[in-house]
Amino acid sequence: GNSVTQMEGPVTLSEEAFLTINCTYTATGYPSLFWYVQYPGEGLQLLLKATKADDKGSNKGFEATYRKETTSFHLEKGSVQVSDSAVYFCARGGSEKLVFGKGMKLTVNP
Amino acid sequence: GAGVSQSPRYKVAKRGQDVALRCDPISGHVSLFWYQQALGQGPEFLTYFQNEAQLDKSGLPSDRFFAERPEGSVSTLKIQRTQQEDSAVYLCASKRRGGYEQYFGPGTRLTVT
Repeated sequence: GNSVTQMEGPVTLSEEAFLTINCTYTATGYPSLFWYVQYPGEGLQLLLKATKADDKGSNKGFEATYRKETTSFHLEKGSVQVSDSAVYFCARGGSEKLVFGKGMKLTVNP
Repeated sequence: GAGVSQSPRYKVAKRGQDVALRCDPISGHVSLFWYQQALGQGPEFLTYFQNEAQLDKSGLPSDRFFAERPEGSVSTLKIQRTQQEDSAVYLCASKRRGGYEQYFGPGTRLTVT
């Protein structure tokens, strides 16, 4: 089964709203954790990553902290913009391959 | 430099036809991955190469799926006798030795009619 579980959308927010996308994982050991983003008409690209427990990944105002106690890697942004409209995928590494969540589509309205 | 490229970008096949999907990884990247992304789902792992060696093919859904990377650079994913359930976007990604990030291509959207 899928060992990455994330909030499923779609979600619509107004500009400057606070965003949280929950992600939990199951794995043996401590895998690397990632958030990938897919903007409309574009390919998957890495948004941020954390490679060990308690690491915080950050990029473009987004943050996520690797919490081994809760096996979570929730994505947050304090003030979303219209340009953040995209599909967001949580993923875990392990033995090279990535295991993805189902993705969450975010639409930000002006 | 250039990113990962894939061709064709779109492919329509009649059920029962064979298809071949090509991936050109970033130059010098040792690892190459294929994923399948069904509509509304996250990508699912198919297979992985390190140089020309196929180290993991546990995600290939059936023996109709075959991948190769004979010279450790370009890779081809072949699907024989396509079925409707093969309709999906096929993503290729590459990674440099020792790196964490996989760089994805734009994908090939396969539609089997």
